[in-house]
Amino acid sequence: DTEVTQTPKHLVMGMTNKKSLKCEQHMGHRAMYWYKQKAKKPPELMFVYSYEKLSINESVPSRFSPECPNSSLLNLHLHALQPEDSALYLCASKTGQITGELFFGEGSRLTVL
Amino acid sequence: GQQVMQIPQYQHVQEGEDFTTYCNSSTTLSNIQWYKQRPGGHPVFLIQLVKSGEVKKQKRLTFQFGEAKKNSSLHITATQTTDVGTYFCAGPHGTNFGNEKLTFGTGTRLTIIP
Repeated sequence: DTEVTQTPKHLVMGMTNKKSLKCEQHMGHRAMYWYKQKAKKPPELMFVYSYEKLSINESVPSRFSPECPNSSLLNLHLHALQPEDSALYLCASKTGQITGELFFGEGSRLTVL
Repeated sequence: GQQVMQIPQYQHVQEGEDFTTYCNSSTTLSNIQWYKQRPGGHPVFLIQLVKSGEVKKQKRLTFQFGEAKKNSSLHITATQTTDVGTYFCAGPHGTNFGNEKLTFGTGTRLTIIP
């Protein structure tokens, strides 16, 4: 069982819709991540929040907007997405240390029509 | 930028046979991690290696970090159906505000023939 909870598990949206993905962890971790994973590909880093501040943005298009309301929550706001954005979106967290394992949520599978 | 390649891309083995996946980085790594992702699932951490030449074992799994800290391997002895999944290595490249940018390898998908 994962200690990182993601909602919704599945999401279908049109290109004009606005939706949000949510991620929650209660392990006291201070770093939270968004990864995007296409079928049969490795996870690709999108954003990293450290101590509730955005520390890494891997040149992600502005139609993806991350938000970290507090140390336990991470959101990914979606607007005007393209069909090629369909993928599994994985949230992960780890302690504030530089090294250490990532704890992944089960992911939100997004389909853009 | 950093590239982390794994071979083979796919491996089909009979149950009970051994399996090995190899991971190669274009840059020297401070550490390397291994993850397993079951079909339809999410990546789950297996192990982290830090020292040059380090070897760690977890039951039937043996992990090795190369002397130059640019390559690593995962060996599974006597595979079981529960070993099915994709195995990823992951290495850090750069830090930003104390956080690693963990780059995942291309992955090796293991299927087991009962």
